[in-house]
Amino acid sequence: LAKTTQPISMDSYEGQEVNITCSHNNIATNDYITWYQQFPSQGPRFIIQGYKTKVTNEVASLFIPADRKSSTLSLPRVSLSDTAVYYCLVGDMENYGGSQGNLIFGKGTKLSVKP
Amino acid sequence: DTEVTQTPKHLVMGMTNKKSLKCEQHMGHRAMYWYKQKAKKPPELMFVYSYEKLSINESVPSRFSPECPNSSLLNLHLHALQPEDSALYLCASSQDLGTANEKLFFGSGTQLSVL
Repeated sequence: LAKTTQPISMDSYEGQEVNITCSHNNIATNDYITWYQQFPSQGPRFIIQGYKTKVTNEVASLFIPADRKSSTLSLPRVSLSDTAVYYCLVGDMENYGGSQGNLIFGKGTKLSVKP
Repeated sequence: DTEVTQTPKHLVMGMTNKKSLKCEQHMGHRAMYWYKQKAKKPPELMFVYSYEKLSINESVPSRFSPECPNSSLLNLHLHALQPEDSALYLCASSQDLGTANEKLFFGSGTQLSVL
């Protein structure tokens, strides 16, 4: 079961690019990396998912190096509305029967965007 | 329809009350989940249902009783709760349980206060 480590908090200003790194040294061959965003008093929202190299969608990019022991969520030109907690989850849902990494939330990174 | 709907949004109950939380999705998802989230903490997995059968119980006290009447509905029955059970209860669904690149869709949660 891959365990993830993220910075507890990050500060940024509007218009900047924000990169949040997640460490997952024990990632297994079949594991995917999934990022969620959560606003206060709301459920987490899926942002992006990847297995290797780079993935980009309309919201963010996800960079995964060749060894896959870490990943970086990149948010381009953040705004005040991007202030939220960002969670990195790593795991393989195929081996259910016990708790799985991609169902387990770590402490997340609280991103604060200032004007 | 890509929503997971939870009712009620807020609930206040006494320690001797019996209440139920409800969750509904119409995305055809076959896996449904209950999470508990205390303030400023990450969501904690409680229960997982797959094809209407309980697949995972994360050692949750028996005062929490889940039920999955059909593939679209998930209930959480509450009885004899303690004040420390006050939290945001989140429901989620996914296409299936056991797919490596699965992603979770969350509802907005029920904010529960136990007096």
